[in-house]
Amino acid sequence: EAGVAQSPRYKIIEKRQSVAFWCNPISGHATLYWYQQILGQGPKLLIQFQNNGVVDDSQLPKDRFSAERLKGVDSTLKIQPAKLEDSAVYLCASSPDRGTDTQYFGPGTRLTVL
Amino acid sequence: KQEVTQIPAALSVPEGENLVLNCSFTDSAIYNLQWFRQDPGKGLTSLLLIQSSQREQTSGRLNASLDKSSGRSTLYIAASQPGDSATYLCAVISSNTGKLIFGQGTTLQVKP
Repeated sequence: EAGVAQSPRYKIIEKRQSVAFWCNPISGHATLYWYQQILGQGPKLLIQFQNNGVVDDSQLPKDRFSAERLKGVDSTLKIQPAKLEDSAVYLCASSPDRGTDTQYFGPGTRLTVL
Repeated sequence: KQEVTQIPAALSVPEGENLVLNCSFTDSAIYNLQWFRQDPGKGLTSLLLIQSSQREQTSGRLNASLDKSSGRSTLYIAASQPGDSATYLCAVISSNTGKLIFGQGTTLQVKP
């Protein structure tokens, strides 16, 4: 069974530029999550999708971050414009159904904002 | 608000030693608790999941315990090996919010 796929693995941009990350969850998983992990900290949930609907985006900085999961499968997370403090690893995870199921994580995208 | 704390932040031990990683959480209203392993440049791998009604789970050389009333969990690693070197993250699913809340992790180095 293929795991959660993410791309790119690394990205370096200047502040005020825009960037997009892509995630393809495990086939058949209804729930998809985006987390932000700042160096030395645990991951923090940014947004949770159930199929193609948003379940929780309370910690997503909506003035600069956006995410979509149009067909209920893969998802993109966008930052525009980026700030220095957005430097982090962005992790995508998926789970079969409910939010309380075990989550399976992708390798992450490491973003550096200069 | 649920908060998860892990102590110590970093740990270095010689190969073969038994060790304990600690995790505490402020709100006992949890659905389950999980221990994850994170290797540099890689995602998180779930090691053990303890439901709120359980006291412990074991997998190979790993044993995790849960004391929900005191808000504590421990991860016991027996006969540590250099391949165990990684960051270990504790996380709880809050019964109130359904969110997975992580601690900041313990970075373990096992020296040959």
